[in-house]
Amino acid sequence: QVQLQESGPGLVKPSETLSLTCTVSGGSISRSTYYWGWIRQPPGKGLEWIGTISYSGSTYYNPSLKRRVTISVDTSKNHFSLKLSSVTAADTAVYYCARLPLTSYYPNWYFDIWGRGTLVTVSS
Amino acid sequence: QSALTQPPSASGSPGQSVTISCTGTSSDVGEYQYVSWYQQHPGKTPKVMIYEVNKRPSGVPDRFSGSKSGNTASLTVSGLQAEDEADYYCSSYAGNNKLVFGGGTKLTVL
Repeated sequence: QVQLQESGPGLVKPSETLSLTCTVSGGSISRSTYYWGWIRQPPGKGLEWIGTISYSGSTYYNPSLKRRVTISVDTSKNHFSLKLSSVTAADTAVYYCARLPLTSYYPNWYFDIWGRGTLVTVSS
Repeated sequence: QSALTQPPSASGSPGQSVTISCTGTSSDVGEYQYVSWYQQHPGKTPKVMIYEVNKRPSGVPDRFSGSKSGNTASLTVSGLQAEDEADYYCSSYAGNNKLVFGGGTKLTVL
């Protein structure tokens, strides 16, 4: 059974770069039947899509975050990563990684398996 | 790219049915069949309940159903049970490889 696990610092200073990794276990990240994504949820607030990466490395970002976001995949380590630069307190959130299934190589645009999430606090 | 609009709260008594709406635009909900719904209990990870407007993943009770009319999608929970009390979020494909979520609805079982 495929599982996803986020990892990275729980505290980041303002103006610095937030870096998280999502390790996929129980299946290969390079299968052509899935994309992978990041979603965040500020405390007490709703979900926000950050971006998605294909098995081949194509990336798709939320326009409101695009200038600061980079998502990459490392198939040798079976994980994908998120970098968010120039963070502020508004970036404090639980960050989730998740799997997005494809049908006939086209994304179905929903997330079927999620990691447990990791809280990242931006504070000096 | 604006968030989809959901009512902040909804409620119903056990056994009743409740419907949660999700309003978007002709560029997202109205254009595509990629509307999904997620259930999130406090402190837990979101769980997909409906995808592609009205499809249920394996293991999701058939008390949960989805539909769409124009720019508004809906999630209906029939035969409400105590464990259905949770936050519910809709999401929709918005074209150009973008995804948008709704603001969430807190469902209370009275």
